[in-house]
Amino acid sequence: DAGVTQSPTHLIKTRGQQVTLRCSPISGHKSVSWYQQVLGQGPQFIFQYYEKEERGRGNFPDRFSARQFPNYSSELNVNALLLGDSALYLCASSLLANQETQYFGPGTRLLVL
Amino acid sequence: SQQGEEDPQALSIQEGENATMNCSYKTSINNLQWYRQNSGRGLVHLILIRSNEREKHSGRLRVTLDTSKKSSSLLITASRAADTASYFCATDGISSGSARQLTFGSGTQLTVLP
Repeated sequence: DAGVTQSPTHLIKTRGQQVTLRCSPISGHKSVSWYQQVLGQGPQFIFQYYEKEERGRGNFPDRFSARQFPNYSSELNVNALLLGDSALYLCASSLLANQETQYFGPGTRLLVL
Repeated sequence: SQQGEEDPQALSIQEGENATMNCSYKTSINNLQWYRQNSGRGLVHLILIRSNEREKHSGRLRVTLDTSKKSSSLLITASRAADTASYFCATDGISSGSARQLTFGSGTQLTVLP
């Protein structure tokens, strides 16, 4: 079975632009979480979605938004990009919202110039 | 914000030696997990230890947890060059809205020299 997939793998944007990142969970997994990993740091939790509803949100501004589709794939949107948004964005899926183990995708590396 | 710190930040050892990494955290936890990350790519789940467990083994990995000291350690025995990676501990708590939120430390960069 395929693991978590994310697209694109790399992305370059300029300040003020908007970006959309995509994630497809492992088949059968209904929960998707998003994390931001700035270079040299550990990942930080952004959102969790389960059954198309937001279940939790980390300490990120409203410029960050996400949604989950009926097939459980997810999009992360970031508006009005700042240089500090440059990071690796990781998607993780799990079977259920309260499952302990999450399975991470390879990430999307975003560079904001 | 980061839950805690890994120690050391970087570790370099010879192949065949053991590698020990430590993790400290700040709040009560449901469980603590260790992940590996190769070259800034996706995270690979290694092992999970629950708050009522003190030690757990998986292959060449041994994890300990001391909830009174809010600390954990990861031991990799008989290290191989392929173990070269960044290792992160992550604590599992419940965020607002009942989400399953992992809070990661800052990681230890392990280099295993052939």
